[in-house]
Amino acid sequence: EAGVAQSPRYKIIEKRQSVAFWCNPISGHATLYWYQQILGQGPKLLIQFQNNGVVDDSQLPKDRFSAERLKGVDSTLKIQPAKLEDSAVYLCASSNRGTTKETQYFGPGTRLLVL
Amino acid sequence: AQSVTQLDSHVSVSEGTPVLLRCNYSSSYSPSLFWYVQHPNKGLQLLLKYTSAATLVKGINGFEAEFKKSETSFHLTKPSAHMSDAAEYFCVVSESGGSYIPTFGRGTSLIVHP
Repeated sequence: EAGVAQSPRYKIIEKRQSVAFWCNPISGHATLYWYQQILGQGPKLLIQFQNNGVVDDSQLPKDRFSAERLKGVDSTLKIQPAKLEDSAVYLCASSNRGTTKETQYFGPGTRLLVL
Repeated sequence: AQSVTQLDSHVSVSEGTPVLLRCNYSSSYSPSLFWYVQHPNKGLQLLLKYTSAATLVKGINGFEAEFKKSETSFHLTKPSAHMSDAAEYFCVVSESGGSYIPTFGRGTSLIVHP
């Protein structure tokens, strides 16, 4: 079974530029999550999708971050414009139905450096 | 509201000695608790989870954890450390009945000396 795929693996941009990350979850998984992991901290949930609908985006900085999951499969997370403090690893995860007891399966992450 | 505290940012052990990684949680509802491991340049992987069944949970690679409601703890243990156990470990809490936002601890870095 293929795992969660993310691209790119690394990205370096200058502040005020835009950047987009892509995630393809495990086939058949209805729930998709985007996390931000700043160096030395645990992952923080940014947004959770159930199929193509948003379940929770309370921790997403909506003035600069956006995410979509068209057709309920793969997803894109965008930052526009980027700030220095956005430097982090962006993790995508998926789970079967999104209940609190389910295991999340994580991709390898995209490491973003904003200069 | 839920929260999780990993009491040690780093734990250093010798190969073959026991491992103890401590996690305390706070939850207004019945919590589900997880331990994930993150090896360098690899994705997070589930070690084990507690979901209101047996309080002693066994996971992969010889790890286990015990849910203690009275102490609000979910400590991770392993009888004998192996060099390959060196990694970052995250304790995670999510609430059944509350707003489902899985909350990660800050992580504990396990260092294993030969």
